[in-house]
Order: sequence, then C-alpha cells, then structure tokens
Amino acid sequence: AQSVTQLGSHVSVSEGALVLLRCNYSSSVPPYLFWYVQYPNQGLQLLLKYTTGATLVKGINGFEAEFKKSETSFHLTKPSAHMSDAAEYFCAVSEGGSNYKLTFGKGTLLTVNP
Amino acid sequence: GAVVSQHPSWVICKSGTSVKIECRSLDFQATTMFWYRQFPKQSLMLMATSNEGSKATYEQGVEKDKFLINHASLTLSTLTVTSAHPEDSSFYICSAGDRGNSPLHFGNGTRLTVT
Repeated sequence: AQSVTQLGSHVSVSEGALVLLRCNYSSSVPPYLFWYVQYPNQGLQLLLKYTTGATLVKGINGFEAEFKKSETSFHLTKPSAHMSDAAEYFCAVSEGGSNYKLTFGKGTLLTVNP
Repeated sequence: GAVVSQHPSWVICKSGTSVKIECRSLDFQATTMFWYRQFPKQSLMLMATSNEGSKATYEQGVEKDKFLINHASLTLSTLTVTSAHPEDSSFYICSAGDRGNSPLHFGNGTRLTVT
C-alpha cells in the first residue's frame, strides 16, 4: 500500500523568502509523485510530477521538487515566495502510472506574509 | 489544455433528498474517472473509481448504495448521493484520466450542504 506524509500542516513565510514544503512517501513499487495546489473552494491544479528520469523536476510558477529515493522524499521548493502562492498544497503518490488513482497527503497550508 | 467540468459547483439540499453531481471531460475521452471527498481542512479521500461501461470500484468503507456512480460515456460520470444526511455535507471532487499516461485532471469540486 502507498502512503504520503506531509510534515507541517501549516507553513508561513515572508514574501521573497524560500518556500520548502516537505513530503515523504511510502510505496511498494517505483512511485509516480505529484504536487498539487488548491485554492479555496476550487479543485486541484497540478504543479509538477515525477515519473522517471531526472530527479529534479521543474513545475509551474517557479516551483520545483527533487525525488530522493534513498530518503523516500519529494520536497517542494520555490526560491522566492509570492503573495499569490498562498494556498493549500498536496503531495500525492500513484503506484499505477500518471493517470492512476492517487493517494494524497494531508496537505500543507502555505501563508505568505507581506 | 485538458479540462474537467464539474456541476454544480455548490448545492444545498434537505435531508432525505438525493443529489446528482456531474463530471465531464470537455476535450478528451476519459476512460477512468475518480471521485474524491474532502472534509474541511483535510485531505482528499478516494471514494471510488469509475470506469466507462462498467461498474464502479468503491474504496473500503464507502457505501455503494448511498453513493451511486454511473459512467455511461467516455465524457461523463455522475455521482448521486442518495437520501442525503447532514453528515454527507462535504466537498466532492472528480478527476479524469485519458487513454494516455498524462496526469489526472481535476474538476473544480462541488460543495454539498445537507440541511
């Protein structure tokens, strides 16, 4: 069975500061890993995904994540936070491919202070 | 890009009534659709996997007679909450996958409130 742990239900940063959202996963097969962002009362928007190949993945809005198999981690980073980055972020894992069912972490609420 | 449309975006109903939520893939054929439920400030929990032309596969603990799923075509899946009760109030989100290996596309969700 697969699972996702997001450390920190709430992360607060200042505008312009580094954003680091942590995600660890558990999977019995090579995982497909995703980060999604959710704004209030909306669905999920894909930020980036890791399937195979390069372990450093770049996504939209300046976000990137690095797959570290030895640490079973897939942390999300952004060098400089913007006010518009304030949202809920979900890490997810799939064992069956990119369009297979996803198991989500509990989410991390990112607030950006001016 | 690929778009998934979910309707309605919000609905208020009285206890005991049934509510139907639609999930449509607008520019691709969705062989598989997934229905998730999200409680306030919590994660998304998979309810069921909907496959076009066949019965849905429900996750453990999800009542299939209460949450009826129909995937009659490659572009439409519906979730019907039957005899709704206040505890069914939640945010329901669908997602769809096409025949390729692209990531799932998510609808904007439906906020259900049962009074």
